[in-house]
Amino acid sequence: EAQVTQNPRYLITVTGKKLTVTCSQNMNHEYMSWYRQDPGLGLRQIYYSMNVEVTDKGDVPEGYKVSRKEKRNFPLILESPSPNQTSLYFCASRRTGGNEKLFFGSGTQLSVL
Amino acid sequence: GEDVEQSLFLSVREGDSSVINCTYTDSSSTYLYWYKQEPGAGLQLLTYIFSNMDMKQDQRLTVLLNKKDKHLSLRIADTQTGDSAIYFCAEHGNNRLAFGKGNQVVVIP
Repeated sequence: EAQVTQNPRYLITVTGKKLTVTCSQNMNHEYMSWYRQDPGLGLRQIYYSMNVEVTDKGDVPEGYKVSRKEKRNFPLILESPSPNQTSLYFCASRRTGGNEKLFFGSGTQLSVL
Repeated sequence: GEDVEQSLFLSVREGDSSVINCTYTDSSSTYLYWYKQEPGAGLQLLTYIFSNMDMKQDQRLTVLLNKKDKHLSLRIADTQTGDSAIYFCAEHGNNRLAFGKGNQVVVIP
């Protein structure tokens, strides 16, 4: 089954403790992206990657890192999480092209205390 | 940059039509999309429209695009309880999708 898998689904952590949210897709998609969803703000893009070893900042990249060492994986790293990073995070992927459907993971609800 | 605006909340009776509106700012967008987010789930693509079209119909869904006013709407005919969700419009430009803030639709039985 074609899917984007994020882990974990729920995470509670404390300020300053490094964490990684994993994202994996089995569709051989070139493009992968991370979004955060906050009430009243919709989805905002954090980082995206057009292909292996190619990453770019989105609209809200501060406090986040990503890596794209393999095509299928695109982890989101919070080196020193802060409470304002409490949010619902979504990973997404698609093929590159003019109109390629974006597939979303089920989301990771992160709470930073 | 892209800036997509949506109203926030809509309630509708089962069987009625519902209309969700969206405005966008990037006139170079080639595709505009409607995504649906059900509770506890990620976003799923509902439908899309190419920028050189005015209207697209897909079963109960009708998308209208007014390029002059940069206005996009989604009409859901015969709204059902399974249509209760958050709906996001999005525009595609610069290899990125810019999403609106979302519109919560609640269907009343």
